[in-house]
Amino acid sequence: DADVTQTPRNRITKTGKRIMLECSQTKGHDRMYWYRQDPGLGLRLIYYSFDVKDINKGEISDGYSVSRQAQAKFSLSLESAIPNQTALYFCATSAGEQAGNTIYFGEGSWLTVV
Amino acid sequence: AQKVTQAQTEISVVEKEDVTLDCVYETRDTTYYLFWYKQPPSGELVFLIRRNSFDEQNEISGRYSWNFQKSTSSFNFTITASQVVDSAVYFCALRSNTGKLIFGQGTTLQVKP
Repeated sequence: DADVTQTPRNRITKTGKRIMLECSQTKGHDRMYWYRQDPGLGLRLIYYSFDVKDINKGEISDGYSVSRQAQAKFSLSLESAIPNQTALYFCATSAGEQAGNTIYFGEGSWLTVV
Repeated sequence: AQKVTQAQTEISVVEKEDVTLDCVYETRDTTYYLFWYKQPPSGELVFLIRRNSFDEQNEISGRYSWNFQKSTSSFNFTITASQVVDSAVYFCALRSNTGKLIFGQGTTLQVKP
């Protein structure tokens, strides 16, 4: 089983709909992240959380919200999806300074907004 | 400002050739970490290596090797005797002092049989 699990892995949704991507991890890491990947633009950080009570915006947080329900769970919501949010979304975790901050990624969630 | 540049957008080689993927970074931090990730066609991101700024030793892992040079702000990745299974997008990344990971644009490697 994967250490960082994302659901759903694939989703097609309509413009204006609300969609939630969920992430859970069994690595025991405090830090969790959401990235999106677009062709030619690499990976960009949407939100990150260093613990349950700490949520921070990344470089492209507009149109997104997150919830850190527990140390192991970090969900990403698109309140009103739009076509340019079509992308591959990654959840990631890291242990923090002591482990050199290696960030481990989930398998990705393909989201298509039509 | 933190930045990672992978100037090679696409590289195509024939199986068994050696190939080097370039990565140049910019940071003002004295302590930082550099990473390489592999993204095969299936889409997942696979961690390959982490290197901290105080360790300039080159590293070899099987057919993979990494050359870290602070003097040129480079962290290059070489695959020796490439194989078709090495075909993937490879990302170089820099961890900033806030804990965020900053990625390069990626290099698509195609290894032809």
